[in-house]
Amino acid sequence: AQSVTQLGSHVSVSEGALVLLRCNYSSSVPPYLFWYVQYPNQGLQLLLKYTTGATLVKGINGFEAEFKKSETSFHLTKPSAHMSDAAEYFCAVSLYSGAGSYQLTFGKGTKLSVIP
Amino acid sequence: DTEVTQTPKHLVMGMTNKKSLKCEQHMGHRAMYWYKQKAKKPPELMFVYSYEKLSINESVPSRFSPECPNSSLLNLHLHALQPEDSALYLCASLGLNEKLFFGSGTQLSVL
Repeated sequence: AQSVTQLGSHVSVSEGALVLLRCNYSSSVPPYLFWYVQYPNQGLQLLLKYTTGATLVKGINGFEAEFKKSETSFHLTKPSAHMSDAAEYFCAVSLYSGAGSYQLTFGKGTKLSVIP
Repeated sequence: DTEVTQTPKHLVMGMTNKKSLKCEQHMGHRAMYWYKQKAKKPPELMFVYSYEKLSINESVPSRFSPECPNSSLLNLHLHALQPEDSALYLCASLGLNEKLFFGSGTQLSVL
């Protein structure tokens, strides 16, 4: 079984401040980990992913995340928040479900607000 | 073409209506997904099609009926829905490195 826990359903930061969104996972096998962003009334857009290799992963829009196996964490960071970063962020873990498909399990999401 | 296209974007239907949601991708992806997302909640998996065959059905009520006519199309047929089925319905397809490409969704309201 696999699961994802996102700490904090709502995070507020000032424009230009550090963004830190927390994600912890549990998985019985080495996981594939993802961060998705969702703007209001839109689908989800992939920010970044970790599958294998380098544990520090860089994504779009200046975001990055570090896979820490010992802490079972995959926290999302951005050095300087921009107003356009305000959105809902979902951490997810993927597990192969057979027949060429993967099943993505999402965390409950963290809403990021950016204060001018 | 790197998009998943969903139509319609908005749909209002009565509980006795029959309607269909459509999803299309031309990226050659072989796995396609339907998710349901209620407001302020994460997406919940409904169905997975792999190589045009239904591989996962997450105990979804029979008033939701998926169909995969070919490798590029995925439909979700709706019949006799309940008001609690109102939600954003998201389609996704699976690309390389387990990356899911999402459509922008159909916002469904059941009256």
